[in-house]
Amino acid sequence: RKEVEQDPGPFNVPEGATVAFNCTYSNSASQSFFWYRQDCRKEPKLLMSVYSSGNEDGRFTAQLNRASQYISLLIRDSKLSDSATYLCAVNVYNQGGKLIFGQGTELSVKP
Amino acid sequence: EAGVAQSPRYKIIEKRQSVAFWCNPISGHATLYWYQQILGQGPKLLIQFQNNGVVDDSQLPKDRFSAERLKGVDSTLKIQPAKLEDSAVYLCASSLRTSGEGEQFFGPGTRLTVL
Repeated sequence: RKEVEQDPGPFNVPEGATVAFNCTYSNSASQSFFWYRQDCRKEPKLLMSVYSSGNEDGRFTAQLNRASQYISLLIRDSKLSDSATYLCAVNVYNQGGKLIFGQGTELSVKP
Repeated sequence: EAGVAQSPRYKIIEKRQSVAFWCNPISGHATLYWYQQILGQGPKLLIQFQNNGVVDDSQLPKDRFSAERLKGVDSTLKIQPAKLEDSAVYLCASSLRTSGEGEQFFGPGTRLTVL
């Protein structure tokens, strides 16, 4: 079983749609959680950190469920510019800060 | 603020050849990471440095890969000899903190093709 697994993509949605991505992690000692965005042929860039209480940044909402060991990302009112690959990443306690990434979920927003 | 710099951006070599990649992290960032990202997958950590010391190299194929960060600033990653399965993007990242709670900033990557 992979340490971090994401919904297989791609997700093809129309503009204005709401889309949700899920990510599960296997190590209960996981400490910090992140969503990264990666545009085609570009480097990953931090989209949001995910906190236990959940957090929101404009159209983006991230949630963490420690009991079920998953994190989610919700994008409301999707824009064409949201088209990218979304990577979830976890940091495991006492593993020196390395990030363990999921395989990514590709999102394509169509007009 | 300048970001993480990497060079070259692209490299094409034949199998069994050697190749080296260079990374200069953001100024003041003590922690430097090298990741390998194969097409269709997420980045996978190869090696992590804190200053010039290795923190984690458990997933580095040491029979062919080596990395150094001699002065605690820039770093080089070498592959010798390369195999076809080494074709990937090699990403360098740096962070201010070592606990993993801080953001990791990625460089643009070096896209390696092994023929």
